[in-house]
Amino acid sequence: GEDVEQSLFLSVREGDSSVINCTYTDSSSTYLYWYKQEPGAGLQLLTYIFSNMDMKQDQRLTVLLNKKDKHLSLRIADTQTGDSAIYFCAEIPAVAGTALIFGKGTTLSVSS
Amino acid sequence: EADIYQTPRYLVIGTGKKITLECSQTMGHDKMYWYQQDPGMELHLIHYSYGVNSTEKGDLSSESTVSRIRTEHFPLTLESARPSHTSQYLCASSELIEQFFGPGTRLTVL
Repeated sequence: GEDVEQSLFLSVREGDSSVINCTYTDSSSTYLYWYKQEPGAGLQLLTYIFSNMDMKQDQRLTVLLNKKDKHLSLRIADTQTGDSAIYFCAEIPAVAGTALIFGKGTTLSVSS
Repeated sequence: EADIYQTPRYLVIGTGKKITLECSQTMGHDKMYWYQQDPGMELHLIHYSYGVNSTEKGDLSSESTVSRIRTEHFPLTLESARPSHTSQYLCASSELIEQFFGPGTRLTVL
């Protein structure tokens, strides 16, 4: 079945870059997503990448996709304390309609 | 900014009560979803709908039921709440590629 794996915790200092990694198993995934969840809130869509792309950049966010290794990463440049949150990687498996399969989330802690 | 609303935001109830969690979206999306988020933060799909009068169960077995009588409305009902139903419930909607989430309902069953 489909599976999405993420490391659980990442701690960085303010101003550094953060890199959150994700691996997935379904090679036919069409889109891959990054969501952010702050305490007590729902999920905020940060960015997504189509499976035929290698990279997507949006301001401080850079998404890299290695389709051969089924590896997705999210790089946050100049990390701020407001970036502290849980980050979820998600995929849409090709055979599962449009419902997302989520990883367990990576808790990013930014210290000043 | 996506307009998807959930009420109540927080609910504490006793065992055996019937409850309905409300979810509404103003974007005209056909597809709507309910996810359950456990204390370890993992999200599981429990119900989805691809349009009016269409509902399906998700990957995680749930004792809840849903209905989709109107495009904008996708309520979730628990006929008899139990402590094992304590969780965060997240509603979402999508049209094409982007899936938007509501703020969630945190349910505690005593």
